[in-house]
Amino acid sequence: GAGVSQSPSNKVTEKGKDVELRCDPISGHTALYWYRQSLGQGLEFLIYFQGNSAPDKSGLPSDRFSAERTGGSVSTLTIQRTQQEDSAVYLCASSPGLAGADTQYFGPGTRLTVL
Amino acid sequence: AQSVTQLGSHVSVSEGALVLLRCNYSSSVPPYLFWYVQYPNQGLQLLLKYTTGATLVKGINGFEAEFKKSETSFHLTKPSAHMSDAAEYFCAVSDLVGGAQKLVFGQGTRLTINP
Repeated sequence: GAGVSQSPSNKVTEKGKDVELRCDPISGHTALYWYRQSLGQGLEFLIYFQGNSAPDKSGLPSDRFSAERTGGSVSTLTIQRTQQEDSAVYLCASSPGLAGADTQYFGPGTRLTVL
Repeated sequence: AQSVTQLGSHVSVSEGALVLLRCNYSSSVPPYLFWYVQYPNQGLQLLLKYTTGATLVKGINGFEAEFKKSETSFHLTKPSAHMSDAAEYFCAVSDLVGGAQKLVFGQGTRLTINP
């Protein structure tokens, strides 16, 4: 079946603008993760959704970041009032949501550049 | 909290030579350990993972890794490097907190293969 897809693949925006990044997980996967990959910080966890449970937002760097997952499938990561330090590749991953060492499958990422 | 250290941000080997990428972890509980590979402009692809049981884990593309609890290590090896192995490699430990299986990544090792 199809893998995790993300859109757009690239996004260039001006400082202060809002952006929305989209993730389509693998069909049937109940768990969905967002990570950020930047030169300075490496790969870091942002947020986690599991089924209909409240998301784990512990990795979000500021209140300008938010995410939602509609119908237990597609997820949108929103960054408000973007700053230059938000420039990074945003990766989405999904997993079956099983107990134990669940394998996370990653999408190709969205490269965000804030001018 | 869990953490991962990858020794060597850049490793260069000749085609046909042994590949050894080092990973040490810190974990307060028995860890789940992963190696992911990232090709240019692509997402992360799982190479292999250790959960329980056999400490020598075989993965895709001829890679394998050995979990050594006494050394808190999970080094990745391949007997004979191929040009197509050139990529960035990430070691990760799973931080299972409140149901979220957050991956904590090392800083990555860029592998270059010389002809």
